[in-house]
Amino acid sequence: GAGVSQSPSNKVTEKGKDVELRCDPISGHTALYWYRQSLGQGLEFLIYFQGNSAPDKSGLPSDRFSAERTGGSVSTLTIQRTQQEDSAVYLCASSTGLAGLSYEQYFGPGTRLTVT
Amino acid sequence: SQKIEQNSEALNIQEGKTATLTCNYTNYSPAYLQWYRQDPGRGPVFLLLIRENEKEKRKERLKVTFDTTLKQSLFHITASQPADSATYLCALGGGYSSASKIIFGSGTRLSIRP
Repeated sequence: GAGVSQSPSNKVTEKGKDVELRCDPISGHTALYWYRQSLGQGLEFLIYFQGNSAPDKSGLPSDRFSAERTGGSVSTLTIQRTQQEDSAVYLCASSTGLAGLSYEQYFGPGTRLTVT
Repeated sequence: SQKIEQNSEALNIQEGKTATLTCNYTNYSPAYLQWYRQDPGRGPVFLLLIRENEKEKRKERLKVTFDTTLKQSLFHITASQPADSATYLCALGGGYSSASKIIFGSGTRLSIRP
């Protein structure tokens, strides 16, 4: 079946503009994650959705960042008033969310965001 | 706060040798540890999971050990090949309110030279 998809694949925006990044997880996966990866760095956790539970927003770097997950499926990460330091690859992942399994996360290809 | 360290940013070894990557952590008691592979321009791909009550896990040429006393995991690739060149990430999970949430290390870039 289809894997995790993200759009757009690349986004160039001017400083101060708002951007929306989209993630379509694997169908049936209840857990969805957003990460940020700067050039040559590891993955920085941003936010985690699990089923109908309140999302874990502990990784969001500022109140300019927010995310929604509608209908337990598609998620949108919004960055308001973008800054140059927001430039990075934003990765989305999903997993079954079921305890006792491998907790394997399936990653999308990422959205490369460049703020000029 | 939790901290995950991977032994080095880059590791260069000769084809055919065993590559050993290290993942150390502090201020955390994970229920499990995962290893992922990431190629340039792509998202990470899951390789192996090892649970806190397991000492060792194998999959083909891969072997992972997990020492909860030392707070360390070792990731071995035997008979390494140039195709194994990639960045390898360790990730810890299960120590949070939700079992599914994991935290990643910064990765080790492995290069296998012919």
